[in-house]
Amino acid sequence: DSGVTQTPKHLITATGQRVTLRCSPRSGDLSVYWYQQSLDQGLQFLIQYYNGEERAKGNILERFSAQQFPDLHSELNLSSLELGDSALYFCASSVAPGPLNEQFFGPGTRLTVL
Amino acid sequence: GNSVTQMEGPVTLSEEAFLTINCTYTATGYPSLFWYVQYPGEGLQLLLKATKADDKGSNKGFEATYRKETTSFHLEKGSVQVSDSAVYFCALGGTSYGKLTFGQGTILTVHP
Repeated sequence: DSGVTQTPKHLITATGQRVTLRCSPRSGDLSVYWYQQSLDQGLQFLIQYYNGEERAKGNILERFSAQQFPDLHSELNLSSLELGDSALYFCASSVAPGPLNEQFFGPGTRLTVL
Repeated sequence: GNSVTQMEGPVTLSEEAFLTINCTYTATGYPSLFWYVQYPGEGLQLLLKATKADDKGSNKGFEATYRKETTSFHLEKGSVQVSDSAVYFCALGGTSYGKLTFGQGTILTVHP
């Protein structure tokens, strides 16, 4: 158990809908990362927050947004869902930003868009 | 931009066989390199890392050496076990913000 929790574990929804994925980082970790794992794109970095502020953006679509709250949990919002958004979404956390800080991954949320 | 290329799988081995999974990278500057492992139904776990050239990362019998001259970070284990069956990801951490760039992953299956 990495100490990072993600809810829900599975999510099935329809095209055009909006969903929210939730992540609670390890105790003491201030930085949160979101990654998307799909069969065709592999594992891709989406966005990073540190202590409530956005720090880095990757291949995140405009239909997607995220935020980190004062209690440090983070939410990833996906809207106008398309079939191609079906994927495993991972959250990771680290003490601070930077490549020398180990990222601890949650178990992921599997999103299926029908 | 940064990229990671991993040897294509799946890789199927018998227990106690020698394992090599190749990983090469393209990056500016001096990135940190990582191997992550993903067991079925679980998130990724850090297996080992190396932060500078010629560093050797090791953990649970796995090893990888950061080779700047060949831009490689190949994963090796001398004697695999059935419990090593998983997906292995090579990753590069090259920015000050810490985002990871992953390879495509290699599925390893070890038979008794």
